Amino acid sequence: GESVGLHLPTLSVQEGDNSIINCAYSNSASDYFIWYKQESGKGPQFIIDIRSNMDKRQGQRVTVLLNKTVKHLSLQIAATQPGDSAVYFCAENMDTGRRALTFGSGTRLQVQP
Amino acid sequence: DGGITQSPKYLFRKEGQNVTLSCEQNLNHDAMYWYRQDPGQGLRLIYYSQIVNDFQKGDIAEGYSVSREKKESFPLTVTSAQKNPTAFYLCASSLRGPQYEQYFGPGTRLTVT
Repeated sequence: GESVGLHLPTLSVQEGDNSIINCAYSNSASDYFIWYKQESGKGPQFIIDIRSNMDKRQGQRVTVLLNKTVKHLSLQIAATQPGDSAVYFCAENMDTGRRALTFGSGTRLQVQP
Repeated sequence: DGGITQSPKYLFRKEGQNVTLSCEQNLNHDAMYWYRQDPGQGLRLIYYSQIVNDFQKGDIAEGYSVSREKKESFPLTVTSAQKNPTAFYLCASSLRGPQYEQYFGPGTRLTVT
């Protein structure tokens, strides 16, 4: 498979535990954020998004929290499963006139059986 | 099936040759994007297009060129001017504007020797 994420920060959790992946974003004017999951050798997959007028949004087993005061975004995964092992990226709309998302550097999640 | 296709999955070229990577989508999306991903790093934006016959440079456009003659297609040419072309290339599409989820293709791994 593709060797992405060789030197990325790594979070190691036990199967069944909850995982929290953090992301510090750069622009206080950013108004839209997305979390993506990328498995080795594949393109990123959408997990969940949130707009700046919200501070929490829940999906199936996932929750995204947005703290605009400290420019922090987190992804919580409940009851982590081996299939959750991947690299996770946050992305933001920096609203600088560039009409494209800006991606963070990613975190590797390793789920131990 | 709707989605984004990239071909080929693996591509090998000799140094000094130009090479064109294919990206096609049938999601009826106006916007399309090209990213480069190196091991241990996140996604870096090469070029993006919000509408047919229009495109903008991203963060690392030097040594690359694109065209957007059709809504469905956004080919990327890696020219001989790109100093380190070996990488994983990802294409994405979305509704127009940065506040929409980007759908990614499976990627093309380019190796230049």
